[in-house]
Amino acid sequence: GENVEQHPSTLSVQEGDSAVIKCTYSDSASNYFPWYKQELGKGPQLIIDIRSNVGEKKDQRIAVTLNKTAKHFSLHITETQPEDSAVYFCAASTYLEAAGNKLTFGGGTRVLVKP
Amino acid sequence: GAVVSQHPSRVICKSGTSVKIECRSLDFQATTMFWYRQFPKQSLMLMATSNEGSKATYEQGVEKDKFLINHASLTLSTLTVTSAHPEDSSFYICSAAPLSGTYGYTFGSGTRLTVV
Repeated sequence: GENVEQHPSTLSVQEGDSAVIKCTYSDSASNYFPWYKQELGKGPQLIIDIRSNVGEKKDQRIAVTLNKTAKHFSLHITETQPEDSAVYFCAASTYLEAAGNKLTFGGGTRVLVKP
Repeated sequence: GAVVSQHPSRVICKSGTSVKIECRSLDFQATTMFWYRQFPKQSLMLMATSNEGSKATYEQGVEKDKFLINHASLTLSTLTVTSAHPEDSSFYICSAAPLSGTYGYTFGSGTRLTVV
């Protein structure tokens, strides 16, 4: 089955700096890679996702890059703000039919943005 | 957008009793829903895949008789923790995605279960 590894496990950055989280996956058939933000006591919230036919996707301060050859993908947050402090999870999935495929999650990265 | 509602958000129960957690897709239909368990400072662990109109598929190591899953309609799945014990205390989260047109999985807000 799929195995997703995520690094670093904790990340402390100064407000305004950039944060980068990296994930690697094992199953070459995986073709959907979402990123989730989870705040304390809440469910994960999808912040950005990328499909295997795209190498990069950007949404305001958040961007994701994908290298299918190397089987790794990364989350980039620019101009970090205190409200970006949370736990971030990457995940991978193989899309075979609509909505029926389970996600495999990375171990999570606890991000702390210092004012 | 796709909204998944999960209830209750918090529940405290006594050892030996059963607790039911509901997961509803509010503005879309979901043939498949997923149930996760999360321990403090850890990642999400998939417990089972809930399929509308059929039996759930459980991950290895998850007790089917303890964690009963029912997916009676395209908008509702329930997880019942039977004969709860303190070690069942955890954060339980469901997720679902629309039938077609998107890969995106939306998560519920989670249920904090405390067994005393």
